Amino acid sequence: AIQLTQSPSSLSTSVGDRVTITCRASQGTDSALAWYQQKPGKPPKLLIFDASSLEGGVPYRFSGSGSGTDFTLTISSLQPEDFATYYCHQRGTFGQGTRLEIK
Amino acid sequence: EVQLVESGGGLVQPGGSLRLSCAASGFTLSNHWMSWVRQAPGKGLERVATIKEDGSEKYYVDSVKGRSTISRDNAKNSLYLQMDSLRAEDTAVYYCARVRLRSVAGILDYWGQGTLVTVSS
Repeated sequence: AIQLTQSPSSLSTSVGDRVTITCRASQGTDSALAWYQQKPGKPPKLLIFDASSLEGGVPYRFSGSGSGTDFTLTISSLQPEDFATYYCHQRGTFGQGTRLEIK
Repeated sequence: EVQLVESGGGLVQPGGSLRLSCAASGFTLSNHWMSWVRQAPGKGLERVATIKEDGSEKYYVDSVKGRSTISRDNAKNSLYLQMDSLRAEDTAVYYCARVRLRSVAGILDYWGQGTLVTVSS
């Protein structure tokens, strides 16, 4: 089964920063990768699908890119509500998560 | 409005059983694959089981194979997860999630709020 490895596992960052999270697949895939945001006590929320397509209602500061084995989620200017944990996902496999913390 | 509402969680002793339910509304359940995803306390997400629109195909994570059964009743707009021989490591919040229509990648576009299963003596 495919494995997804996210980096970093956690990141201390500040409002206004540009943040990039990486998801690496153990084997080459198509662009069928999604990103989710999860806040404490809440279910995950779909942000990006098909590697780079923004889900409806998601702010434009979120973007995704990549193909093959390497994918990235970028937040162009971090807002207070963006401090959360982010997961990549493909065909039933999730990455281990990246937690964004306030510096 | 799409809604998924889980129920059936609770405290159960090791070796016991639970049946989780997910009530779906706001969309046609029979058009969608559906999944159960769990999250152990302080841990990441793990897909537990997935079922095809008509129930003819089912997939399970290795750790629950032989102990859990996913099923659905499209007429009742409901999804189920029967869990037997429960272990402490099954302790988690269990989410019901909808697979996006025609998504070969299994994109989970709507999630319920989750139901907590605690396995402890």
